[in-house]
Amino acid sequence: DQQVKQNSPSLSVQEGRISILNCDYTNSMFDYFLWYKKYPAEGPTFLISISSIKDKNEDGRFTVFLNKSAKHLSLHIVPSQPGDSAVYFCAASVNNNDMRFGAGTRLTVKP
Amino acid sequence: DAGVTQSPTHLIKTRGQQVTLRCSPKSGHDTVSWYQQALGQGPQFIFQYYEEEERQRGNFPDRFSGHQFPNYSSELNVNALLLGDSALYLCASSLGGTGISTDTQYFGPGTRLTVL
Repeated sequence: DQQVKQNSPSLSVQEGRISILNCDYTNSMFDYFLWYKKYPAEGPTFLISISSIKDKNEDGRFTVFLNKSAKHLSLHIVPSQPGDSAVYFCAASVNNNDMRFGAGTRLTVKP
Repeated sequence: DAGVTQSPTHLIKTRGQQVTLRCSPKSGHDTVSWYQQALGQGPQFIFQYYEEEERQRGNFPDRFSGHQFPNYSSELNVNALLLGDSALYLCASSLGGTGISTDTQYFGPGTRLTVL
């Protein structure tokens, strides 16, 4: 059962423009959401998180938006940089247990 | 400051064999979680070890077992390997035995297991 879905396997944007990565989930009990970034031959690294009591969290160029009614999560990167090129995973959990990951979206930022 | 390290980097086994993967947590961390990442999918939680005990477990059969040592390092053992066990196995460390969905979880580079 795939409770966390990232329906776009890949995304390509121009340097300086906005990157929007999307994530949908089915379990309404999820109360904590995270985004991870993964470079080749490295493990995922934490990027940004959001609790279900919030609808937005911002950290520099990265902003995560949560729409609980739509069960939708998005990550905005503004402005996008070539170094942002990586695979991005969204993840979600209930009461800090059994974190579920999406399949990932490969972002390519072109110079 | 040493991060999370895993060994070996790559491993090839045949069906029915047993395999042991190793993980050393980030300095200062005492909790280790293991994940399986199949090709084209996101990581799936296998289990977490804290204070040398399995504290949480995902939906994996008993063929998957683990161990944590007094120095906090950990092993993942898989018995009776199946073709479907071919995947990248990721280890993540954190502090304090907290839940697995914490932003203070640091991942290692993984061990690529191929089962023929």
